[in-house]
Amino acid sequence: SQKIEQNSEALNIQEGKTATLTCNYTNYSPAYLQWYRQDPGRGPVFLLLIRENEKEKRKERLKVTFDTTLKQSLFHITASQPADSATYLCALAPPSGTYKYIFGTGTRLKVLA
Amino acid sequence: DADVTQTPRNRITKTGKRIMLECSQTKGHDRMYWYRQDPGLGLRLIYYSFDVKDINKGEISDGYSVSRQAQAKFSLSLESAIPNQTALYFCATSDLSTYNEQFFGPGTRLTVL
Repeated sequence: SQKIEQNSEALNIQEGKTATLTCNYTNYSPAYLQWYRQDPGRGPVFLLLIRENEKEKRKERLKVTFDTTLKQSLFHITASQPADSATYLCALAPPSGTYKYIFGTGTRLKVLA
Repeated sequence: DADVTQTPRNRITKTGKRIMLECSQTKGHDRMYWYRQDPGLGLRLIYYSFDVKDINKGEISDGYSVSRQAQAKFSLSLESAIPNQTALYFCATSDLSTYNEQFFGPGTRLTVL
């Protein structure tokens, strides 16, 4: 079965640096992969989606890459700010028409001022 | 007003009690989901519904049941609550036109004593 691995250890970085979070999956390549942000006690919020045939996607200070050979997605936050501190989840979204979202456990990011 | 609302936000109950968690959405989405989140285990799918007449089990449906009363409403019931159902529960909605980007509610924190 498909599994997602995210670094469970918290990532601490200094303000202004680039944060890089990793999402590895073990089985089939998903049609697309999503990244969410979750603040403590709140529901996840969608950030970015990248399709299987895309190498890279950007949105403001966020960048996602997708390497189907390595079965890995990287999530980058450039010029990080303390407000970026949160848990970031990746999710494998099934092909259109099916249902089973598989979420990673998330990586907690703390940006130090 | 929030697009996806959940009631109650917090609930403490005793073993053996029947509990209903409610979810309402104003996004007009056909697809709705119930997840639970536990520390270290991530988000796990309990049930999902693609329309009012379509209900499907997720990966951890035992001990739970659902009702889709209308396009906008999806309820989760614990018929006889047990302590290991203590968790954070999220409702979510999605639409095929946006590649199933999911919109989550604020969550219900349930404690079963």
